[in-house]
Amino acid sequence: SQQGEEDPQALSIQEGENATMNCSYKTSINNLQWYRQNSGRGLVHLILIRSNEREKHSGRLRVTLDTSKKSSSLLITASRAADTASYFCATTSLYNNNDMRFGAGTRLTVKP
Amino acid sequence: DADVTQTPRNRITKTGKRIMLECSQTKGHDRMYWYRQDPGLGLRLIYYSFDVKDINKGEISDGYSVSRQAQAKFSLSLESAIPNQTALYFCATSDPGRGIGFEQFFGPGTRLTVL
Repeated sequence: SQQGEEDPQALSIQEGENATMNCSYKTSINNLQWYRQNSGRGLVHLILIRSNEREKHSGRLRVTLDTSKKSSSLLITASRAADTASYFCATTSLYNNNDMRFGAGTRLTVKP
Repeated sequence: DADVTQTPRNRITKTGKRIMLECSQTKGHDRMYWYRQDPGLGLRLIYYSFDVKDINKGEISDGYSVSRQAQAKFSLSLESAIPNQTALYFCATSDPGRGIGFEQFFGPGTRLTVL
């Protein structure tokens, strides 16, 4: 079964707007990662946040983690058409570092 | 050149046929993985290998087998393909010395259709 669940399933915005995607999970985690997938291609790692971290930034990306709510959010600021892709969260179990599960993803469309 | 390559990129086969998907990497990583992706379900782990002699089942290993021929090569086989194995298959690698739960590097994928 999947660990992470992204919300919304699909998001459509205009270029320049911010995009926020959420990930909820069920069990305790060691870390949470966000990946991007362009249509039909391999996933690309964006950012990893550890369970003892609350926020991380990378360029236009901001990730937050709330372990009390078992949720994370990915914010993309000043979006561009090139940000159009699917975004997946992946969680690693606190109890088994070999157990990493992906969510079903959020499909982001950025209109020029 | 791509760090993680997969062959073939597309394959159409018939029910009951044996199929092998191959993955090669030039990243020097010990750890390699096979995933399948179905629409609306994200990625699910089929098998993973931490070195040539270490093969482990993932979440959905039934109907699949793997072979780690060398550090750089990890093959996935479908012994007798069935239609519900139609999916997008990805190979991935990760940095040696770390568990699964760290950055993974993905190949471009193989789209497999079983008729």
